[in-house]
Amino acid sequence: NAGVMQNPRHLVRRRGQEARLRCSPMKGHSHVYWYRQLPEEGLKFMVYLQKENIIDESGMPKERFSAEFPKEGPSILRIQQVVRGDSAAYFCASSPNPPSSTVPFHGYTFGSGTRLTVV
Amino acid sequence: DAKTTQPTSMDCAEGRAANLPCNHSTISGNEYVYWYRQIHSQGPQYIIHGLKNNETNEMASLIITEDRKSSTLILPHATLRDTAVYYCIVRANFGNEKLTFGTGTRLTIIP
Repeated sequence: NAGVMQNPRHLVRRRGQEARLRCSPMKGHSHVYWYRQLPEEGLKFMVYLQKENIIDESGMPKERFSAEFPKEGPSILRIQQVVRGDSAAYFCASSPNPPSSTVPFHGYTFGSGTRLTVV
Repeated sequence: DAKTTQPTSMDCAEGRAANLPCNHSTISGNEYVYWYRQIHSQGPQYIIHGLKNNETNEMASLIITEDRKSSTLILPHATLRDTAVYYCIVRANFGNEKLTFGTGTRLTIIP
């Protein structure tokens, strides 16, 4: 998973605090995807961002969760007022410009994830 | 909505070929078959993808049936490091469509 950097690797927050998860995509990649994996479950899509734009947030919870990908700097997944149910592994993936009929898609590159524990 | 069906778990002896099946009977003409795996506590890793022809790379081979309704991922000489959850995903090969992960197959390589 070299190339997509996520930090921190582990994050502990008390209930009610805010959690900020950072993702730096691979060099040259301008598209970022966030996924959540609850304990013993599969990966669930949360949000897809381009630089300064949210393209698809259909998997984001309606409240307390937000994401951004500014022109400069990493993508941030922000969880406000965390609850114990937010405890999960959060993975970020990146890809280059979206494929078209002439530019094939060869898969995303995932980071190593941030493991959030809410106590 | 799940587009693929995979067995929940499989075992394979170390050094043997691991054959992981996947059913995707509703696959569309423009959708490719992708395989990823997730080794414990790590991020998913891309393995291989294909449209209708069989594909091979340094990690695995992908065999897609002629009607494209099912496929098999083959790890030719499984090692203990291949123990992981393997995900079969169908996705169009263009556009911004996200990857949708199912529950995958938990492959255990037995020494």
